[in-house]
Amino acid sequence: AQKVTQAQTEISVVEKEDVTLDCVYETRDTTYYLFWYKQPPSGELVFLIRRNSFDEQNEISGRYSWNFQKSTSSFNFTITASQVVDSAVYFCALSEAGQGAQKLVFGQGTRLTINP
Amino acid sequence: SAVISQKPSRDICQRGTSLTIQCQVDSQVTMMFWYRQQPGQSLTLIATANQGSEATYESGFVIDKFPISRPNLTFSTLTVSNMSPEDSSIYLCSVDRGQPGGEQFFGPGTRLTVL
Repeated sequence: AQKVTQAQTEISVVEKEDVTLDCVYETRDTTYYLFWYKQPPSGELVFLIRRNSFDEQNEISGRYSWNFQKSTSSFNFTITASQVVDSAVYFCALSEAGQGAQKLVFGQGTRLTINP
Repeated sequence: SAVISQKPSRDICQRGTSLTIQCQVDSQVTMMFWYRQQPGQSLTLIATANQGSEATYESGFVIDKFPISRPNLTFSTLTVSNMSPEDSSIYLCSVDRGQPGGEQFFGPGTRLTVL
């Protein structure tokens, strides 16, 4: 069965610090997809990134970067030089290929607070 | 990405009543998904709605409690029936690109409080 674990329930840092959000997943499929979503206080879910299981290249987008390591079943998310606007709940999610519909399994989320 | 709207954005309901939540997408999509997010919790998939067929429910969710309609390729409704305080949650609909492993885009959610 699929499972996503975000062990960090809450993280609080001071603005401009770097912060890494951990995500560990479990799946029996060899083809799967990993996602990160941001949920700011307003409540909407914002898509950040998608990775498939065959692409282990790390990705950088501005201050955001993602480290995908199949050997440890991890897909960690780092924010560099954090800003107050980064404060949100961040969810890691997993979906398995096949069977048509893509069921997203979410982790419990990490509440990130950036203090000025 | 798709633009998704939901109505109502929030509601306060009495125990034992039902509420129907609407989800409208600005483009035709094959699959629509309904999620529940209980207070302070993660998102859990309720069901997948495919136009022209019965919705597929996840374990723990039943059609009698959460009937879903999908009359066309841009619209779906979720009804929360015979509500109790435990149904107080945010209900979100989402759509995907219709390709394997595609990201899902979410509506703004309906914040439901049951008294």
